[in-house]
Amino acid sequence: EAQVTQNPRYLITVTGKKLTVTCSQNMNHEYMSWYRQDPGLGLRQIYYSMNVEVTDKGDVPEGYKVSRKEKRNFPLILESPSPNQTSLYFCASSSQIRESSYNEQFFGPGTRLTVL
Amino acid sequence: AQSVTQPDIHITVSEGASLELRCNYSYGATPYLFWYVQSPGQGLQLLLKYFSGDTLVQGIKGFEAEFKRSQSSFNLRKPSVHWSDAAEYFCAVDTGGFKTIFGAGTRLFVKA
Repeated sequence: EAQVTQNPRYLITVTGKKLTVTCSQNMNHEYMSWYRQDPGLGLRQIYYSMNVEVTDKGDVPEGYKVSRKEKRNFPLILESPSPNQTSLYFCASSSQIRESSYNEQFFGPGTRLTVL
Repeated sequence: AQSVTQPDIHITVSEGASLELRCNYSYGATPYLFWYVQSPGQGLQLLLKYFSGDTLVQGIKGFEAEFKRSQSSFNLRKPSVHWSDAAEYFCAVDTGGFKTIFGAGTRLFVKA
């Protein structure tokens, strides 16, 4: 089954304790992206990756890091989490090949993060 | 700057009634336009998309949307709403530069 998986689904942590949220896709997509969803703000893009070893900042990158060492994985790293990073996080992937599914983003189930 | 506006934070419709969700975008050229739906506790699922060509696009679950360049709009419609359509709907714009901008979302409530 084609899917994007995220782990963990729920996480409660404390300020300053480094954490990683994993994201993996099995569709051989070139493009992957991280978003955070906050009430009234919709989804805001944190980082995206056009392919292996190619990443760039989205609209709200401060406090986050990413890496893309393999095509299928795109982990989100919070080196020193703060309470304002409490949010719902989504990973997404899409194909950049011009076919019918071009640019359609497939989303993971989300990770609800609480930073105390 | 590019932006997407969904003017309605929430909408309530009776089951069987028609639905229109509004979306306006700000972008100089013709963007790629999308509507996604998010059911409670779920990720987002693509309803439909517009890249070029026919300005009226059909999607899944009986939804359609019309691109109007003169109004910079991409409104989502459904002729008869079902209770299972209750969800949050997001309009999104892709400017072709690998960045996607989402609207704030419209939450749809369906009355029995």
